[in-house]
This record gives sequence, C-alpha cells and structure tokens, in this order.
Amino acid sequence: AQKVTQAQTEISVVEKEDVTLDCVYETRDTTYYLFWYKQPPSGELVFLIRRNSFDEQNEISGRYSWNFQKSTSSFNFTITASQVVDSAVYFCALSPGYSSASKIIFGSGTRLSIRP
Amino acid sequence: EAGVAQSPRYKIIEKRQSVAFWCNPISGHATLYWYQQILGQGPKLLIQFQNNGVVDDSQLPKDRFSAERLKGVDSTLKIQPAKLEDSAVYLCASSHEGRELFFGEGSRLTVL
Repeated sequence: AQKVTQAQTEISVVEKEDVTLDCVYETRDTTYYLFWYKQPPSGELVFLIRRNSFDEQNEISGRYSWNFQKSTSSFNFTITASQVVDSAVYFCALSPGYSSASKIIFGSGTRLSIRP
Repeated sequence: EAGVAQSPRYKIIEKRQSVAFWCNPISGHATLYWYQQILGQGPKLLIQFQNNGVVDDSQLPKDRFSAERLKGVDSTLKIQPAKLEDSAVYLCASSHEGRELFFGEGSRLTVL
C-alpha cells in the first residue's frame, strides 16, 4: 500500500519558535520520491522540496530543513525561527516508482499557524 | 514564465447540474494532472495526461466525471450530473520531463 501520514492536524506556535512537521510514508517500491508542498490561504500549492529514495542527505534551505530517514520511513520538515508568513497548510507527498511526477500521493496536511 | 491557469475560480451549482473546468498548463509541460481536494484533506489524483493520452484515471468516477486534453495542451474536466459530495477544489497541475508538479490556484466548486 502507498500511503502518507501526517499525524499533526494543526500546530500553533509563537513567531521565532522552531517547529517540526512530521511525515511518515509507506511504500513497497525501492525507488520513490518524497515532496513537501505549502498551501497558503490563496490555495495554490507551492513546491518546496523533492528527494529521491537513494539520497538520504539532509537538506537545508534558509530557515527550512528536511530530515529523511529511510529506517523509520520518515521525511520531517523543520522551520527555524518561524515567521507569520509561514502560516499555511503543509503537505507531505510520495511518488512511488522511477518518475517523480507520476501519481503523487498526498498526506492530509498539517495546518501551521504562527502567532505574532 | 506564466503559471498554470485555471477557470473559473469559483462555481456554485445545484445537484444534478453539470459543470466544466478549464486548465492551461505551463508552456512545454507534457504532463497534466487534475486533482480533487475536499476541505480538510490532501489532494487526490483524478486523472493524469501525457500529451493527449491518459496515463492514469483509476480514481476518476467515470459515471459522472470526464476529462479531455485534445491537442495535448489545455484540458477540460467535466462533472455531469454533480452530487453534493463533489464539492471541492479542483486543482490542475503540470510537469516537465518527470520533474516537480506546478499547480494552478484551483477551481472551487460548491454543489447545493
């Protein structure tokens, strides 16, 4: 079965706090891709990152960082020094197989609210 | 570079009526997707096109939903007849050579 679980439905933190969004995935494929997307109130899904299953290196991009651990089937996303503009719904997603753009399966999302 | 264009942004219809949504992908993107996002849920793939051929429509309710991409560019998604449970945002996305998806702003459908 292919599945993405985001157990945190909603998170609320005060600005400048660090926050981690959890993502656990299930797949029998040995090759797959993982993604994070941001959905601000405007509704458009914004691509944040793509990782393939052979690359377990953690990645940092400014205040954003991602921790990929195959041993626990997790792909967690951390925002450091959060800002009000980070408020959005964040989706973790899985694309099983060789192509990163085939049948992307989304989790149910985590609504992140950053309070000033 | 222009993004994925969708219209209309909002549509309200009564059940059993029909509705159509239009999507124009990013220029040069061969792959086009329609996703359904029900409030509080993640997007669910309805149909995927590669140029004008269907790659995956396993989750498309074919008794009422249809989609086409006749010239391999823009696409139309139709619902006929609509049910209350079809109320959702319909998201169109496109990608180039198997890379990440770029999404439009979506078309919000309310069925009364």
